[in-house]
Amino acid sequence: EVQLVETGGGLMQPGGSLRLSCAASGFNVSTHYMSWVRQAPGKGLDWVSIIYSGGTTYYADSVKGRFTISRDSSKNTLYLQMNSLRAEDTAVYYCARHFYDGSGIPDYYFDYWGQGTLVTVSS
Amino acid sequence: SYVLTQPPSVSVAPGETAKLTCGANNIGIDTVHWYQQRPGQAPVLVVYDDTDRPSGIPERFSGSNSGNTATLTISRVEAGDEADYYCQVWDSHSDHLVFGGGTKLTVL
Repeated sequence: EVQLVETGGGLMQPGGSLRLSCAASGFNVSTHYMSWVRQAPGKGLDWVSIIYSGGTTYYADSVKGRFTISRDSSKNTLYLQMNSLRAEDTAVYYCARHFYDGSGIPDYYFDYWGQGTLVTVSS
Repeated sequence: SYVLTQPPSVSVAPGETAKLTCGANNIGIDTVHWYQQRPGQAPVLVVYDDTDRPSGIPERFSGSNSGNTATLTISRVEAGDEADYYCQVWDSHSDHLVFGGGTKLTVL
């Protein structure tokens, strides 16, 4: 059974750093595209970053240069390093798996999501 | 940048049909996916690749995409369909994933 479990959220001061983790089970994070998606309180979904199976990464303009996505295959875990945090980064952060049937190219829709972890940036 | 426009809210009576739209210039040439999100829960995929339905999603949910509008159609709406719905595409020009602003479906 596929599961994604995010941890690492909490209350941070502006300018601080935080690392989120997403522990995966039931599949290998290195064989799928993986993304982080956030949702500010009462707002819509906001894509943050993606890491391809080959290691290529892309970021939303709002976080580029401040956030870094990575993974550890030995721990089967996805990470999001968040630096220079701002109040507008306050959100529930979800990790999500992109669909891949094992052949060809993965698709860009999400077939599994974690339950999310709340990051609050406030002084 | 790629912007997906969804109406903030749609209301429908039980048993009726809800049409949720997602607009963008020439969205018909892109592939659109739809998610349902109930309060306090993670999103759930309801339609992928414009028209396909994941296993476990009722046949009442269907999708279409042409011209400047993609549409999620929910037939015979039930109280349990009340949720927020988001459309999503991958913008290959900017290498960004894009969500629409979401539509809150209210079942009267």
